[in-house]
Amino acid sequence: KNQVEQSPQSLIILEGKNCTLQCNYTVSPFSNLRWYKQDTGRGPVSLTIMTFSENTKSNGRYTATLDADTKQSSLHITASQLSDSASYICVVSATNAGKSTFGDGTTLTVKP
Amino acid sequence: ETGVTQSPTHLIKTRGQQVTLRCSSQSGHNTVSWYQQALGQGPQFIFQYYREEENGRGNFPPRFSGLQFPNYSSELNVNALELDDSALYLCASSSGGATSGSQETQYFGPGTRLLVL
Repeated sequence: KNQVEQSPQSLIILEGKNCTLQCNYTVSPFSNLRWYKQDTGRGPVSLTIMTFSENTKSNGRYTATLDADTKQSSLHITASQLSDSASYICVVSATNAGKSTFGDGTTLTVKP
Repeated sequence: ETGVTQSPTHLIKTRGQQVTLRCSSQSGHNTVSWYQQALGQGPQFIFQYYREEENGRGNFPPRFSGLQFPNYSSELNVNALELDDSALYLCASSSGGATSGSQETQYFGPGTRLLVL
């Protein structure tokens, strides 16, 4: 069964600090992995998308890494801001499926 | 803003009733997917429509049905509502007949929050 596990479930950090969110998956055959940011009460917004051949991709202060061998991805946030407080969702797609598998997200709270 | 709109924003229904949720895709997008997101969980795939035809379905019962119109807007219908149907319902649009294997990015709407009493 295709699964996506994210950790930690929730995280609290101080403004200006860095943090790393983890995503482990068992989706196969792998097509791509996406990270989304979802603000409370809003729809998810795409941050990065990576295919099998890519092991890192950046979007401003967000940097995603992918290790397709160990089936792990991480999202690193640098110099966090209060507006980074949100849920971060990892989504993995298979090449032969009609749907993507979503993780349950990591809830990040950035405090002043 | 993603250009994807959903209506209504909030809705309260009682068990056994029927509900219709609406989604307007981003301009130029011909594919729409619907998701159910319970509190504290990730979105669960309901189904996807490509050019007015269903193009994939998740593990949801037949009382969850959908439509896509020629202008690529879409509806999600849920019959015989149950308490567990209370959730945020998200639609996402993309282009090119995207299946999950595609690299096309999905653009999500703000969602409709449904409460079933």
